[in-house]
Amino acid sequence: LAKTTQPISMDSYEGQEVNITCSHNNIATNDYITWYQQFPSQGPRFIIQGYKTKVTNEVASLFIPADRKSSTLSLPRVSLSDTAVYYCLVANTNAGKSTFGDGTTLTVKP
Amino acid sequence: DAGITQSPRHKVTETGTPVTLRCHQTENHRYMYWYRQDPGHGLRLIHYSYGVKDTDKGEVSDGYSVSRSKTEDFLLTLESATSSQTSVYFCAISERFTGTGGADGNEKLFFGSGTQLSVL
Repeated sequence: LAKTTQPISMDSYEGQEVNITCSHNNIATNDYITWYQQFPSQGPRFIIQGYKTKVTNEVASLFIPADRKSSTLSLPRVSLSDTAVYYCLVANTNAGKSTFGDGTTLTVKP
Repeated sequence: DAGITQSPRHKVTETGTPVTLRCHQTENHRYMYWYRQDPGHGLRLIHYSYGVKDTDKGEVSDGYSVSRSKTEDFLLTLESATSSQTSVYFCAISERFTGTGGADGNEKLFFGSGTQLSVL
């Protein structure tokens, strides 16, 4: 299972774009990259998933370079409600065996 | 919504007593997982199941056992609770995800609301 490394914490202000990068140097050929968001007292929830290049949905974008050894979650125009912990997971099948790590605590300030 | 229900939501118990937490799903998913989360840390896998009566250990399985006699229920048991098992416990299922742009995706996890367990 690929090990991931993320910054422990990040601060931002409302309305700014936030980019959180995850390193996964030993990602396997069939692994996908998935990001989750967790609010206090709740379970993590799925944000976005990708395999290569760029993926965009209604809440975020995911950028994956050609070598796939890292990925960047981009949150456009964050609001206070985006304050949460963000986890990057790398897995193929049996995704729940992935190691969550401590995630990145994003704090959005007014 | 993957239809995951955890019970109880909160539990206070004494050291040495047995405790069972229940995870119930309504959508017939094959894989189910139990995690614990301690303050300021990520989730750590305790046990998982890949089918009825098929279970395996995670990274922090000592002191825990699981059972899955029906597809929809995955039980986590602390045979003799200790204070170090005070934690928030999350259950999850995994679901195959079809990615955007026509590409097949992998799996994504859906989590229950958690059980806050305090062992005094």
